[in-house]
Amino acid sequence: ETGVTQTPRHLVMGMTNKKSLKCEQHLGHNAMYWYKQSAKKPLELMFVYNFKEQTENNSVPSRFSPECPNSSHLFLHLHTLQPEDSALYLCASSLILAGDAYEQYFGPGTRLTVT
Amino acid sequence: AQRVTQPEKLLSVFKGAPVELKCNYSYSGSPELFWYVQYSRQRLQLLLRHISRESIKGFTADLNKGETSFHLKKPFAQEEDSAMYYCALSVPLTGGFKTIFGAGTRLFVKA
Repeated sequence: ETGVTQTPRHLVMGMTNKKSLKCEQHLGHNAMYWYKQSAKKPLELMFVYNFKEQTENNSVPSRFSPECPNSSHLFLHLHTLQPEDSALYLCASSLILAGDAYEQYFGPGTRLTVT
Repeated sequence: AQRVTQPEKLLSVFKGAPVELKCNYSYSGSPELFWYVQYSRQRLQLLLRHISRESIKGFTADLNKGETSFHLKKPFAQEEDSAMYYCALSVPLTGGFKTIFGAGTRLFVKA
């Protein structure tokens, strides 16, 4: 599959579980992002990775832990979540080149339900 | 503070009518602005960015620095334009950028 892929597409987990969301981009980009999209607060930026380095943590609770092993892969590790964490989690990637902000390419999202 | 405001949650127009989706931003630097669109059952995708000054699917958006606005316009709406539209502002970070999205406006074009 080309573009930005996310797995799993749907996830149901209990509050004591540990799970991970995976994102992979096949576009040769050097920046990756995690967003949370819910009915109450659409499209909240969570984390930004530029050249595998985390450059933004938007006051996200520590129960969300990102990992970027290389510029093509991004993970979001989840543990002891709360029901209010139920949302659509979107991954995106973009190219950072010569100080210019290029468009972001989004994945299809993982629909997370915390029970 | 950096912020993007889309005052309308829902905009409903008839097919063939003009449409304008409003966007205002708050940013002290030189803004990089985008419009993204999400059609039903599709992923979020770029519609246009201000720096390219293009017309995409009949849509245009002009940056007005005096009014800090970047409204999206189309003279004759089509049913296939029904979607969720997000205005976005990219601001620099050390080594890169982050993008701040507005709350979005759902456009519904009626036959």
